[in-house]
Amino acid sequence: EIVLTQSPDFQSVTPKEKVTITCRASQSIGSSLHWYQQKPDQSPKLLIKYASQSISGVPSRFSGSGSGTDFTLTINSLEAEDAAAYYCHQSSSLPWTFGQGTKVEIK
Amino acid sequence: EVQLVESGGGLVKPGGSLRLSCAASGFTFSSYSMNWVRQAPGKGLEWVSSISSSSSYIYYADSVKGRFTISRDNAKNSLYLQMNSLRAEDTAVYYCASEVDYYFDYWGQGTLVTVSS
Repeated sequence: EIVLTQSPDFQSVTPKEKVTITCRASQSIGSSLHWYQQKPDQSPKLLIKYASQSISGVPSRFSGSGSGTDFTLTINSLEAEDAAAYYCHQSSSLPWTFGQGTKVEIK
Repeated sequence: EVQLVESGGGLVKPGGSLRLSCAASGFTFSSYSMNWVRQAPGKGLEWVSSISSSSSYIYYADSVKGRFTISRDNAKNSLYLQMNSLRAEDTAVYYCASEVDYYFDYWGQGTLVTVSS
């Protein structure tokens, strides 16, 4: 099973600040890494597919990068509505696995 | 508009059974693989099971293998999860999620399953 480790677990950020969340895979997964946002009391929402591909309707301040074992989700100029938990997910091999999540709080 | 609506959750005793349903609309259900993903209270996401568009390929997480059965009815645009021999650690919100190119593009609102005596 591929283990995904996110860092940090928690981040408190002021609006307009840049946020960087990393996701490290226990073995190489190419670009088969996707990012989801889950706001409080809501279901997850797809943010980025295949490490860096944007999703229609997702604000351009969200971007992804990386390949192999190291991946990054970047939120440029954080907005209050971005308070949420963020999860990475690998689809390189079954079982599909998720990172433990990163909670972003707005100061 | 894509909609996935789960139902069937509730309180069940350890060792009991429950059947979850997910009603899909707004897309060609029969063309997509579908998944169940769960989230224990205050915890992260855990993939549970996947079924291909024609039910030819079915996969389970080790934690539920032999106890849970995923199925679908393309004529009814519905996905199911039969859960048997339930344990306290199965307590979670269960989401159905559509899958395209091995990522989850749409999620339902979830249904809560509580396993407790």
